[in-house]
Amino acid sequence: QQQVKQSPQSLIVQKGGISIINCAYENTAFDYFPWYQQFPGKGPALLIAIRPDVSEKKEGRFTISFNKSAKQFSLHIMDSQPGDSATYFCAAAEERELSSGSARQLTFGSGTQLTVLP
Amino acid sequence: DAGVIQSPRHEVTEMGQEVTLRCKPISGHNSLFWYRQTMMRGLELLIYFNNNVPIDDSGMPEDRFSAKMPNASFSTLKIQPSEPRDSAVYFCASITTDPHYYNEQFFGPGTRLTVL
Repeated sequence: QQQVKQSPQSLIVQKGGISIINCAYENTAFDYFPWYQQFPGKGPALLIAIRPDVSEKKEGRFTISFNKSAKQFSLHIMDSQPGDSATYFCAAAEERELSSGSARQLTFGSGTQLTVLP
Repeated sequence: DAGVIQSPRHEVTEMGQEVTLRCKPISGHNSLFWYRQTMMRGLELLIYFNNNVPIDDSGMPEDRFSAKMPNASFSTLKIQPSEPRDSAVYFCASITTDPHYYNEQFFGPGTRLTVL
């Protein structure tokens, strides 16, 4: 069961253009929505994240837009650069109450391979 | 801190052999996750531990896979016997209870496994 659906699978953008990646979810227990960036040969690393009580978060050229009613969120990369070429994963987190204490679990989207042409 | 450490970085083995992947989480982190990444299936959660206790192993593909966390600073993922379809990059990640970083999973560099 794919709880977080991500699109597109791949994206090619010219330098200076805007890259947009979209994600949708169903589980209303999700309470935190991060985006991870992964370069070849490396592990994913947190890029930017948002909580559902705000509709937008901006950090430099990266912006998350969040629509709680539609259960959708997106990553916008402004003025895209060749160095942004990487795989981007959206994710959603939920708290699970366990006998051993609470635990945070992330569910990842399928990833978007972004290529920014020089 | 050196971050999450995984070893080996690359492993090539023959079908039927036992493979052991190792992970050292960031000191002080209390949850540890094992993921598998392939082109076809993306990033899949295999198992995760909370305070060294396995919490959810529903992602472990079959009985050939097993994971242990004998203490807070070490975990292993074992495949026995290995099969060509197990070829993938295996990531370990850890997370802290520090409220400032509470939601951020820190990933290791991964182990690229090739089963011939």
